[in-house]
Amino acid sequence: DAGVTQSPTHLIKTRGQHVTLRCSPISGHKSVSWYQQVLGQGPQFIFQYYEKEERGRGNFPDRFSARQFPNYSSELNVNALLLGDSALYLCASSFSELGETQYFGPGTRLLVL
Amino acid sequence: QKEVEQNSGPLSVPEGAIASLNCTYSDRVSQSFFWYRQYSGKSPELIMSIYSNGDKEDGRFTAQLNKASQYVSLLIRDSQPSDSATYLCAVNGYSSASKIIFGSGTRLSIRP
Repeated sequence: DAGVTQSPTHLIKTRGQHVTLRCSPISGHKSVSWYQQVLGQGPQFIFQYYEKEERGRGNFPDRFSARQFPNYSSELNVNALLLGDSALYLCASSFSELGETQYFGPGTRLLVL
Repeated sequence: QKEVEQNSGPLSVPEGAIASLNCTYSDRVSQSFFWYRQYSGKSPELIMSIYSNGDKEDGRFTAQLNKASQYVSLLIRDSQPSDSATYLCAVNGYSSASKIIFGSGTRLSIRP
């Protein structure tokens, strides 16, 4: 069975640009969560989506947005990129929204210059 | 106070010994607890999940949960060099069931 997939694997952008990251959950999983991980820290929660609705949001600015599609895949969008947005962006999927084990994809490494 | 706290390490353990990793959390109503392993440059990989007080064993790994003390630990028996990684403790609270909160991780180094 395929695990969580993310694209692209690496990305280089300049300040002020916009980026879209994509995630496909494990087959049968309906919930997708997004995390940001900077070097030396644990993943920080950005969003959770379940059945195409936002079910949770972390402490991130409005430049960050996301959506989930009918096939449960998801996109994370970041506008007006800052140097501090450089990080590993992780997508995790779970069957439902409530306290279940989340399985992570390989991540997208974003570098903002 | 951080919501999930771990000693950053590095924790150095000789090969074959028991590695003990600890984590405390602040949300008293937390319901779900997870240990993830993360190799450098890779994404977190689930090792164990635990939901009830007590011990849960899976191969060389044992997770221990004490909700009264708000404490969760991971024991790795017969440590191998391949266990060298960062171990992330994660907590999913009843009051914030839609997100998992991670600690900063403990770096574990197994010396041959």
